[in-house]
Amino acid sequence: AAGVIQSPRHLIKEKRETATLKCYPIPRHDTVYWYQQGPGQDPQFLISFYEKMQSDKGSIPDRFSAQQFSDYHSELNMSSLELGDSALYFCASSLGGRLAGTHEQYFGPGTRLTVT
Amino acid sequence: GNSVTQMEGPVTLSEEAFLTINCTYTATGYPSLFWYVQYPGEGLQLLLKATKADDKGSNKGFEATYRKETTSFHLEKGSVQVSDSAVYFCALTDNNAGNMLTFGGGTRLMVKP
Repeated sequence: AAGVIQSPRHLIKEKRETATLKCYPIPRHDTVYWYQQGPGQDPQFLISFYEKMQSDKGSIPDRFSAQQFSDYHSELNMSSLELGDSALYFCASSLGGRLAGTHEQYFGPGTRLTVT
Repeated sequence: GNSVTQMEGPVTLSEEAFLTINCTYTATGYPSLFWYVQYPGEGLQLLLKATKADDKGSNKGFEATYRKETTSFHLEKGSVQVSDSAVYFCALTDNNAGNMLTFGGGTRLMVKP
């Protein structure tokens, strides 16, 4: 079965540079979530989209922005990168948005971002 | 707000030992509860879930029961294998606060042959 695809899998950037992470949800899934997992930490919710509209916002810095496109893929844009942005960034997809209740989220393999 | 607390690791067990990883939660609404597993270098995989009180989620020999009275969702397995070595995350979603997952801190399980 098709899974969530994230690209790139690894990314190395320098401080103050920009980065774009891409997420392709499971076919027919209309909801995308972004999470950030720092080293040895639990994943923290950043932002979510349902039917191309922002649904909920978590601890996403103002330097980051994201959007969901008409084909439901999503991109996380990160500017003025800081050393502390080094983390694993996960995308997850599900069906039905914030009203989905019990619909589980399926995670991609993550993008490991290293800021030097 | 919502929060999940789980026992700190690492938990080190011998193969075929009994496993319990404790998880308790606080939620503003009526949450759904999940256990996710993360193998080294990989993403998060849903292990099991429960959506209402007294529901038991089970998968691959793991099980957890949604206990509303004690706000707990402890993970158990009767006989662990070396291949179960991973980090386990307890998590919840709460429709009153969107459908995002709130995770516990994770518990690393190491199973020795």
